[in-house]
Amino acid sequence: LAKTTQPISMDSYEGQEVNITCSHNNIATNDYITWYQQFPSQGPRFIIQGYKTKVTNEVASLFIPADRKSSTLSLPRVSLSDTAVYYCLVFLMDSNYQLIWGAGTKLIIKP
Amino acid sequence: EPEVTQTPSHQVTQMGQEVILRCVPISNHLYFYWYRQILGQKVEFLVSFYNNEISEKSEIFDDQFSVERPDGSNFTLKIRSTKLEDSAMYFCASSEAGGRAYEQYFGPGTRLTVT
Repeated sequence: LAKTTQPISMDSYEGQEVNITCSHNNIATNDYITWYQQFPSQGPRFIIQGYKTKVTNEVASLFIPADRKSSTLSLPRVSLSDTAVYYCLVFLMDSNYQLIWGAGTKLIIKP
Repeated sequence: EPEVTQTPSHQVTQMGQEVILRCVPISNHLYFYWYRQILGQKVEFLVSFYNNEISEKSEIFDDQFSVERPDGSNFTLKIRSTKLEDSAMYFCASSEAGGRAYEQYFGPGTRLTVT
């Protein structure tokens, strides 16, 4: 069963770059790594998705090494509003629909 | 930006009652999903729906649950006889297409409280 492991919590300060690393040792060869953000009492929100190497969008970058056994979400210059839970997700083996949700990383940004 | 909407935002019901949670997916999306999140716990997949039929369901999605697309815009989750342990946030999501490369857009959720 493919699953992910990420730190339970992290702290950082406004203006800093935050890197959250996730391990997914058993990722399937056709699987993508997807990151979501969730604020309290809200639905998860897609941040970024990648298959290999580096992906960048307007909010984050995702670094995936060649072996794809881990990935790192990079949030540049965080602000207080980036305080949230961040989930690193892969799909259930042989499924095209079932994202596997772990506990996520609770990121707290301090002033 | 288009978004998934859900109603009601909060539903209180008594044990044994039927509830219907409603969702309006993004209009050009073809795949629909329900998830639940018990307070303080992880998000759990319930079911995916495409072309008017269930494409996948989890072990949680037993005979007490059903989904329906009654018209061209709504997507509903029905719980026939609610139990205390059904209390949770229920999230609807939709995606443009199925498959691992497609982003799922989540609604704000319905908080279901079973008393």
